[in-house]
Amino acid sequence: GAGVSQTPSNKVTEKGKYVELRCDPISGHTALYWYRQSLGQGPEFLIYFQGTGAADDSGLPNDRFFAVRPEGSVSTLKIQRTERGDSAVYLCASSPTAVTGGRGNEQFFGPGTRLTVL
Amino acid sequence: RKEVEQDPGPFNVPEGATVAFNCTYSNSASQSFFWYRQDCRKEPKLLMSVYSSGNEDGRFTAQLNRASQYISLLIRDSKLSDSATYLCVVNGGDKIIFGKGTRLHILP
Repeated sequence: GAGVSQTPSNKVTEKGKYVELRCDPISGHTALYWYRQSLGQGPEFLIYFQGTGAADDSGLPNDRFFAVRPEGSVSTLKIQRTERGDSAVYLCASSPTAVTGGRGNEQFFGPGTRLTVL
Repeated sequence: RKEVEQDPGPFNVPEGATVAFNCTYSNSASQSFFWYRQDCRKEPKLLMSVYSSGNEDGRFTAQLNRASQYISLLIRDSKLSDSATYLCVVNGGDKIIFGKGTRLHILP
């Protein structure tokens, strides 16, 4: 499959634990985005990478959240000391180049990781 | 005013009818606009980009009104398969904002 993949598809953890969510973008896409979607809401922007660097991390809710993309391809979203309010579907999207500016580019979304914090 | 605001929905519409969604945005510097479709428990998928001149793709027409800061989506001759949540997306140049979405139910 040539689409965006995310693992795991579901993650159940206990309050206070550490979790890592992985995103494998479409090959060759330089831009990668993380979103969080709660029930009945639209996706909420978290962070965006252009290549290896985080071009905009203004959507990260607090310092418990961190994301990396060390080789400009796969990205990992890391959540420390999870809280029940972190429960949501975490979506990753990639696009050939940055969506910001101009007419933008289509974002291709992965199926998401459903995180449940008990 | 919310950054991106959509009709609250849900819309329950008989098959074959025409349905229109509206979306307003607060950042006048926003540069690009999109409609995404999201099926239940699935990821969002691009339906259409929205251009200043308006654009049409089959039964779907998208329009942008920069002066009033709103975009619209019109679906003609609606099909059962059009049932989904429609998300308005605004790219403000420095960040991308999704609306809450409007759920559409097409009734047989």
